Amino acid sequence: QVQLQESGPGLVKPSETLSLTCTVSGYSINSVNSRYFWGWIRQPPGKGLEWIGSFSHSRNTYYNPSLKSRDTISVDTSKNQFFLRLNSVTAADTAVYYCAAEIRYGSGSYFVSWGHGTQVTVSS
Amino acid sequence: QSVLTQPPSVSGAPGQRVTISCTGSSSDVGAGYDVHWYQHLPGRAPKLLIFGNTNRPSGVPDRFSGSKSGTSASLAITGLQAEDEADYFCQSYDSSLSVVFGGGTKVTVL
Repeated sequence: QVQLQESGPGLVKPSETLSLTCTVSGYSINSVNSRYFWGWIRQPPGKGLEWIGSFSHSRNTYYNPSLKSRDTISVDTSKNQFFLRLNSVTAADTAVYYCAAEIRYGSGSYFVSWGHGTQVTVSS
Repeated sequence: QSVLTQPPSVSGAPGQRVTISCTGSSSDVGAGYDVHWYQHLPGRAPKLLIFGNTNRPSGVPDRFSGSKSGTSASLAITGLQAEDEADYFCQSYDSSLSVVFGGGTKVTVL
């Protein structure tokens, strides 16, 4: 079963860049016949979940338009890791960030496996 | 503000049945996209509970069931147990290929 683990700094200063890593085990991100997309989701304190973006092994990438192109998802297949970079952060980006394995199909998509999440606080 | 609307909380006594609604619009749930449900315990990874409106992954008790009609979906928990106390989120998709979530519902077992 695919397992995911987020890592990164817990504190980021306003206007700086947030960088997170998701390490995947139990499955190769680069599998040619991969059925998975790989995504990032966050949950601000006291609020619901918000999808950030997802990508596939063939490098099709989709982002949440509400983040106004501040985010970038990349991958290092040699380490079986993928990354999130979020530029120009503000206090509104304070949240628990999750990475997850996603299945996309004709009628939508869903997340079959999630990491435990990592808390990121934006503060000076 | 979440795209999909859920009640903030529901409660029930052990053994009772509770339902959680998830209301979308014509550009997401009403456009024919499936609804999925997750159970989230504090400090733990969210767990897929229902996928494709009505399907349970292996290992999920049949006390959990999902349905969908029009622009809305529902999650029902029958025979409520203390271990079911958690947050529940619905999730769908919209015509811009974006994933959308509900705001979450806290289930309290009285």
